[in-house]
Amino acid sequence: AQSVTQPDIHITVSEGASLELRCNYSYGATPYLFWYVQSPGQGLQLLLKYFSGDTLVQGIKGFEAEFKRSQSSFNLRKPSVHWSDAAEYFCAVGIRGSYIPTFGRGTSLIVHP
Amino acid sequence: EPEVTQTPSHQVTQMGQEVILRCVPISNHLYFYWYRQILGQKVEFLVSFYNNEISEKSEIFDDQFSVERPDGSNFTLKIRSTKLEDSAMYFCASSRGQGRDGANVLTFGAGSRLTVL
Repeated sequence: AQSVTQPDIHITVSEGASLELRCNYSYGATPYLFWYVQSPGQGLQLLLKYFSGDTLVQGIKGFEAEFKRSQSSFNLRKPSVHWSDAAEYFCAVGIRGSYIPTFGRGTSLIVHP
Repeated sequence: EPEVTQTPSHQVTQMGQEVILRCVPISNHLYFYWYRQILGQKVEFLVSFYNNEISEKSEIFDDQFSVERPDGSNFTLKIRSTKLEDSAMYFCASSRGQGRDGANVLTFGAGSRLTVL
C-alpha cells in the first residue's frame, strides 16, 4: 500500500521568506500527487496536482511543487510567503486505478510578520 | 464555485451516544467519502460510497459506523455508540471519479469536529 510522510509537523517562516514543505511517498510505480491546504475554518483546498509530464507543477496562490522520482518526493515551494499562507498543508498520494488518495499528517505553517 | 458543506461544524457528545454527521456533496459528483483526522495524526480514509453503496472502507470503519445517502443530496456518517477515541475532525469529500488522465480529484468540506466526553 502507498504511504505519505510529511516529516515536518510545524514550519515557521518570516513573511517574504521562501518556503519549502517536504513530502515523501512510498509506492512502487508513479503515483498521482496532490497538495491540499486547510485554512482555519475551511475545507481542504487543492493547491496543485501531478499526474504526468512536466515534473514541475504550478498551483494556485503562487505555489509550485516538483516531483522527483529518484527521491520519491513532491516538495511544495513558494518563493515569498505571505501572512495569509499560514495554514495546514497536506500532501496526498493516489495510485492509478484507485479512487482513494492517502494523506500525510500535515505540516502547520506559521508566518511571522 | 461549488463546494461541499458539512454540518455541524462542532459537536460535543457523551460516550455511548449516537452521532450523525451530515454532508452535502457537489451536485454532479458521483463518489463520496469520509475521512477523519485525530488531533496531531494523519488524515485517515474511512469509507467511499458510489452508486448508493459502499465501494471501499478501511479497518477503522467497523460496525459502529454507517453511511447513507437518504435523499439524493445529503450524505451522512453515523456513529452508533461513540467512544472517546472517536474524537476527531471528520471530513466529507466528493469527486466526479477518474478523469481522462485517470486521476481522481477530491473536493473536501470544512470538516465536523467531534468531541466525545
